[in-house]
Amino acid sequence: EVQLVESGGGLVQPGGSLRLSCEASGFTFSSYAMTWVRQAPGKGLEWVSAISDNSGGTYYADSVKGRFTVSRDNSKNTLYLQMNSLRAEDTALYYCAKETGSSAYYPFDYWGQGTLVTVSS
Amino acid sequence: EIVLTQSPATLSLSPGERATLSCRASQSIGSHLGWYQQKPGQAPRLLIYDASNRATGIPARFSGSGSGTDFTLTISSLEPEDFAVYYCQQRSVWPLTFGGGTKVEIK
Repeated sequence: EVQLVESGGGLVQPGGSLRLSCEASGFTFSSYAMTWVRQAPGKGLEWVSAISDNSGGTYYADSVKGRFTVSRDNSKNTLYLQMNSLRAEDTALYYCAKETGSSAYYPFDYWGQGTLVTVSS
Repeated sequence: EIVLTQSPATLSLSPGERATLSCRASQSIGSHLGWYQQKPGQAPRLLIYDASNRATGIPARFSGSGSGTDFTLTISSLEPEDFAVYYCQQRSVWPLTFGGGTKVEIK
């Protein structure tokens, strides 16, 4: 059974940093691209970032480019999102999702339950 | 950036009725469109990929069609568990984008 478990969310002040993690199990993690999607409270879905299976390709939404960094450790079956210079508008539930292929533009077939990031003073 | 416009914002229907949801792209995306369902308090679920292909385990009452800029998700006969929010998403051009969603509510 595919499982994705996010962690690392919490309350952080504007300008601060957080690192989110997504631990994967139930599939060959190193064979699939992974993605991050966020959802602000009461709002729709926003794609944030994606990374190919071997980390050769990384992609970002314009809203986070230069502030967020996606990475993965295939030996630990874990996806990361380093978030710096956080702003109030980054407040959201952050989901990690598995893609159906190795390159980072495939559909998202499995999702975690999300980790909440709140940016507030 | 490709903008996906979903309509209507809310669809009020009764169980057993047919639901037709629209997604329009600001430029051609071929068939690189997916549909996701999200229920309150739950993560999204992939329903349709590449415009018309049902994902694993998705019932046949869900179907997708379209190409280029105009896409449709059809639920042939609404079941109680189908009342949810539906999002379209394009994977043709970076950055990937989602539509604003259509809420299908019980009339």
